[in-house]
Amino acid sequence: GAGVSQSPRYKVTKRGQDVALRCDPISGHVSLYWYRQALGQGPEFLTYFNYEAQQDKSGLPNDRFSAERPEGSISTLTIQRTEQRDSAMYRCASTLGAGGPGNEQFFGPGTRLTVL
Amino acid sequence: GENVEQHPSTLSVQEGDSAVIKCTYSDSASNYFPWYKQELGKRPQLIIDIRSNVGEKKDQRIAVTLNKTAKHFSLHITETQPEDSAVYFCAASILTGGGNKLTFGTGTQLKVEL
Repeated sequence: GAGVSQSPRYKVTKRGQDVALRCDPISGHVSLYWYRQALGQGPEFLTYFNYEAQQDKSGLPNDRFSAERPEGSISTLTIQRTEQRDSAMYRCASTLGAGGPGNEQFFGPGTRLTVL
Repeated sequence: GENVEQHPSTLSVQEGDSAVIKCTYSDSASNYFPWYKQELGKRPQLIIDIRSNVGEKKDQRIAVTLNKTAKHFSLHITETQPEDSAVYFCAASILTGGGNKLTFGTGTQLKVEL
């Protein structure tokens, strides 16, 4: 079946603009995670949802970052007033269950964000 | 919060040799330790994971060992092949009924030379 998808795959924006990054998890997956991956580094946790409820947003760098998953499926990560330091690969991942069996996180292809 | 350190950052081996990548974690409550392989330009993919109630797990040429007392775990790849060349990430988390927030290491670039 289809894996996790993300759009756009590449986003170039100017400093100060807002951007919205979309994640489509695997159908039926309960949990959805957002990570940021800098070049040459491992993914860094941002936030996650179980169904439509945001469970943990401790990894969001500041209040310019927000995320939602209103219907428990597609999620949007929004960055307001982008800054050059926001440039990175943004990845989402989904898991079948919220915990226990089905813990494997399936990652999406990522959105490469470049802020000029 | 959890901190995961990974060594080495780069590893070069001859085809057929073994490769070992080591990670340490800081939070003794962590109980789930996955390893991801990321090929150039691709997404990370889970290759093996281990929970804290076991000390070792094998899957064909890949094995992971866990030492809870020392808070370290290792990935072992035997009979390496060129297609094993990739970046490998270890991670740790506290598995709860509600989620699985992963803390990743900084990655190991493995190169298998012919």
